[in-house]
Amino acid sequence: QTVVTQEPSLTVSPGGTVTLTCASSTGAVTSDYYPNWFQQKPGQAPRALIYSTINKHSRTPARFSGSLLGGKAALTLSGVQPEDEADYYCALYYGGPWVFGGGTKLTVL
Amino acid sequence: QLQLQESGPGLVKPSETLSLACTVSGVSLTSSNSYWAWIRQPPGKGLEHIGTISYTGTTYYRPSLKSRATISLDTSRNQFTLKLNSVTAADTAVYYCAYGLPGGQWTDYWGQGTLVTVSS
Repeated sequence: QTVVTQEPSLTVSPGGTVTLTCASSTGAVTSDYYPNWFQQKPGQAPRALIYSTINKHSRTPARFSGSLLGGKAALTLSGVQPEDEADYYCALYYGGPWVFGGGTKLTVL
Repeated sequence: QLQLQESGPGLVKPSETLSLACTVSGVSLTSSNSYWAWIRQPPGKGLEHIGTISYTGTTYYRPSLKSRATISLDTSRNQFTLKLNSVTAADTAVYYCAYGLPGGQWTDYWGQGTLVTVSS
């Protein structure tokens, strides 16, 4: 069974920079996995941030960016705001089904 | 304005079939290169992709659910549906429907989610 792994939790100070990563049990993540990133706040539906590794949706703030880093997909937040405190999920494509990571709980403190 | 809205029973008995519909407004289900998905989230846990159906009716399922899940298009109502049979308490979750595009793009168009509880 394919497993996608994210950091369970991260803490960042307001104004700081943090990178969340997304690894695949099948090996290095490449653009062929079309990494997507989502933000979810309590009681809300997920909100799409990044698709196909680096592309932002129209409402995605400029401080969010996607990349590939060391064989993983990565989401970097630069100049973190208090409202960025949320759960973040990545999703990878495996030729039909998608697999979500377990999520990263980001605390802004 | 593109919108998705889930509907269906909030309570299902163990061993019975869970049936949900996602009503889509603002775009046709059969628009070229559109993909429609069901995703669920058990209480306090992460997201889980159940399956996807393309605008042509081709389906893709999470392997562990493939034997129990069926996703189909109802073009007359511009809805797509999920049926999950032989449910157990482990199927208790918030179920979301979502809209995707080619090139691995999940859009920001998701339903608000509907909680389905499996209990006798």
